[in-house]
Parts: sequence; structure tokens; C-alpha cells
Amino acid sequence: NFVLTQPHSVSESPGKTVTFSCTRSSGSIASDRVQWYQQRPGNSPTPVIFEDNQRPSGVPDRFSGSIDTSSNSASLTISGLKTEDEADYYCQSYDSGNWMFGGGTKLTVL
Amino acid sequence: QVQLVESGGGVVQPGRSLRLSCAASGFNFRKFGMHWVRQAPGKGLEWVAVIWYDGTKKYYGDSVKGRFTISRDNSKNTLSLQMNSLRAEDTAIYYCARDLVDSDGYSVGFDPWGQGTRVTVSS
Repeated sequence: NFVLTQPHSVSESPGKTVTFSCTRSSGSIASDRVQWYQQRPGNSPTPVIFEDNQRPSGVPDRFSGSIDTSSNSASLTISGLKTEDEADYYCQSYDSGNWMFGGGTKLTVL
Repeated sequence: QVQLVESGGGVVQPGRSLRLSCAASGFNFRKFGMHWVRQAPGKGLEWVAVIWYDGTKKYYGDSVKGRFTISRDNSKNTLSLQMNSLRAEDTAIYYCARDLVDSDGYSVGFDPWGQGTRVTVSS
């Protein structure tokens, strides 16, 4: 199995753009779909990106996802940051009967 | 609307057992795989187990293999997790989640999630 590595925390100001990375330790990032989940304090996770770059209905187009095979990583970008975006963000992928999560990145909007 | 409601959490001593349930509504339960995912206090998410839509296949995370059993009753729209030989490190919020499939029909993740039920393993 591979490991998904995320930075522990990120801080940015309202209105700015922030990008989270999720690096896969082995095997190609393109081999398996990557999902991103937002978890606000005290709430359950909700998906904001699935299949690398697809937004679920109801998720604003300020959220976008991509993969980069050169760095073997996936990225979640949030533009026009709002205070309501402050949350933990987890990447997730699948491999051979195992569903793996990254350790999560805490986004602070200040 | 789709709703998943977990129950059965509580405080249990190490070595004992506990059974969690998840009541599903608002969708055709028997057509979807279902998962359990947990989150230890202040920690990240950990996938626990999955069961296929018809119950024919089950997979478990390494940390619970041999101790936990996932099951479902499609006639009652209910998902269960039998947890035996509980350890302190099993302390977590346990979420049930519906399987999320990609455009090719392969399982990729989880959507939606229930609100979770808290399990505390302590003497």
C-alpha cells in the first residue's frame, strides 16, 4: 500500500488562493482516483472533489482539483477564500481493497 | 434526502465487544456498497471496513482485521459493525458512509457520511 502525505497546516487571508498538496509515496498518482473531503470542526466530512477534479453538486467552483504526475501528487485549490472555508481537508485514494486517507491539512483563514 | 444515522456507541472496557448500527434512508440501500470510517480524538480519518451492495465481499483495514465484522441487512436498510476484543486505540468516532463510485462504476470513496457515533474504550 502507498501513503498519502499532506502538509499539516496552511494559513491564508480571505480573498486569497490556497493550494493543498497530497503526495503519493509509491505507484503513480494517476493510477487511482483522488478525492478531497472538507471537515469543519464538529462536523462529518463532506466531499469537495471526486475523481481527481470533479465537483459534487453544491460545491462552489472556487474549489478545483488536479493531479501532477511529475511530482506524483494531487492538489486541491480554493480561490477567493472565505472564513467558512476554515476546516480540515483530507485527500483519499484507493488501492487493492484499501481506501487510504492522507493525514489532513488544517486550513486557517485569517 | 439521503440520510445515514449511526448508533450503538458508548464506553466499553478493553477486551469487550460492541455493536454499531447505521440506519440508511432516502436511497436504494441494496444497490450501494457501504463503509465504516473512524476518527480518533484529534486525529485524521481511517478507513475501517467495506461491504459490497449484496454482502458478498467484505474488506477490512489492517488494524481491525480479525476483530471487527461488517454486515448488512438489506431488508431493513441497516449496516452493522461488530467490534470484538476492543483496544484503547479503537477509541474514535465511527462514521458510516455510502460508497462513492466513479464514472466507470468503481468504488473510489465515500459520500455521504453519517454524523458518527463515539466509541470510548477505557477501563
